Amino acid sequence: QVTLRESGPALVKATQTLTLACTFSGFSLSTTGMCVSWIRQPPGKALEWLARIDWDEDEYYSSSLKTRLTISKDTSGNQVVLTMTNMDPVDTAMYYCARIVYGATWAYDIWGQGTMVTVSS
Amino acid sequence: QSALTQPRSVSGSPGQSVTISCTGASSDVAVHNYVSWYQQHPGKAPKLIIYDVSHRPSGVPDRFSGSESGNTASLTISGLQADDEADYFCCSFAGGSTEVFGGGTKLTVL
Repeated sequence: QVTLRESGPALVKATQTLTLACTFSGFSLSTTGMCVSWIRQPPGKALEWLARIDWDEDEYYSSSLKTRLTISKDTSGNQVVLTMTNMDPVDTAMYYCARIVYGATWAYDIWGQGTMVTVSS
Repeated sequence: QSALTQPRSVSGSPGQSVTISCTGASSDVAVHNYVSWYQQHPGKAPKLIIYDVSHRPSGVPDRFSGSESGNTASLTISGLQADDEADYFCCSFAGGSTEVFGGGTKLTVL
């Protein structure tokens, strides 16, 4: 069974750096075609794609947030970490990680339950 | 990458059909056959209901269908049911191997 679970601080202060972890099971990010993305959703608003890391360790970022984001795999192999610098209250959102299996589809077939991050001023 | 354009809301009565559009640009919807649709109930994570423009994952009823014409993708839900009331988001592969979501559409079942 494939699962993803997000974790991180529920509250951060403006200007701080946010670090979120996506811990997954049921697949290996080293397997050809596997990709994991971070996607966020401010309360009552739309989904926004943030970043993706692929099985070959290529990284892709939202052009509007590129300078603030870093996505990486941790050495354990079952975790993807997202860091976002210089947090602002507008970054308050539910943050999701989700999986793509490229080759089978190009779509997010499995999502985590999300982790809510509030940025205080 | 600008968000894909969706109507903010649509509505229909039980048993009717509704269609939600998703309009992109020359660098996303019009170019790639990688448009997907997600259903999101309040307080829940999004759920994949259509991938690669018109394919349904296992377990998704055939009342849900997808299509594409030019730079506009569409999701049609036929035989509306009360549980279809939710937010719907489209997503497309975009330039530079990035991705872009639509602004979301709230479906109300009258």
